[in-house]
Amino acid sequence: GAGVSQSPSNKVTEKGKDVELRCDPISGHTALYWYRQSLGQGLEFLIYFQGNSAPDKSGLPSDRFSAERTGGSVSTLTIQRTQQEDSAVYLCASSFAPHQYEQYFGPGTRLTVT
Amino acid sequence: GENVEQHPSTLSVQEGDSAVIKCTYSDSASNYFPWYKQELGKRPQLIIDIRSNVGEKKDQRIAVTLNKTAKHFSLHIRETQPEDSAVYFCAASESRSTLTFGKGTMLLVSP
Repeated sequence: GAGVSQSPSNKVTEKGKDVELRCDPISGHTALYWYRQSLGQGLEFLIYFQGNSAPDKSGLPSDRFSAERTGGSVSTLTIQRTQQEDSAVYLCASSFAPHQYEQYFGPGTRLTVT
Repeated sequence: GENVEQHPSTLSVQEGDSAVIKCTYSDSASNYFPWYKQELGKRPQLIIDIRSNVGEKKDQRIAVTLNKTAKHFSLHIRETQPEDSAVYFCAASESRSTLTFGKGTMLLVSP
């Protein structure tokens, strides 16, 4: 079946602009995660959605970052007033159940803020 | 919260040699320890995981060991091949928490 997909694959934006990144998880997966991967760094957790529960936003680095998940499926990560330090690969992952089950990652969106 | 340290950051081996990557964690409540492999330009993929009720798990050429007392776990790859070259991430979590990943180890296997 189809895996996790993300769009766009690459995004170049000017400092101060807003961007939206999209994630389509695997059908039937209740858990959805967003991570940020900077060069030479690990996978930095940003936000987690599970079913209809309130999301775990504990990893969001600032209030410029937000995310939503509509209908328990597609998720959008929004970064407002982008800064150069926001440049990174943003990865989405989904899993059948939360936390201790295999996470299936999308291909990522490479964000470059100029 | 959980803190995961991973060493080494880079590892170069000759084809056929063994490779060992080590991770330590801080939260004694953590009980799930997966390892993900990320080939260049590709997405991370789970290669093996271990839960705290066992001390070792093997799958073909790879094995993971867990020492709960010392709060460390390791990935062992034997008879390395060029296709093992990738970045490997360890992670840890307890049942109600999200995964905390290490910063990764870049493994280079030379023919």
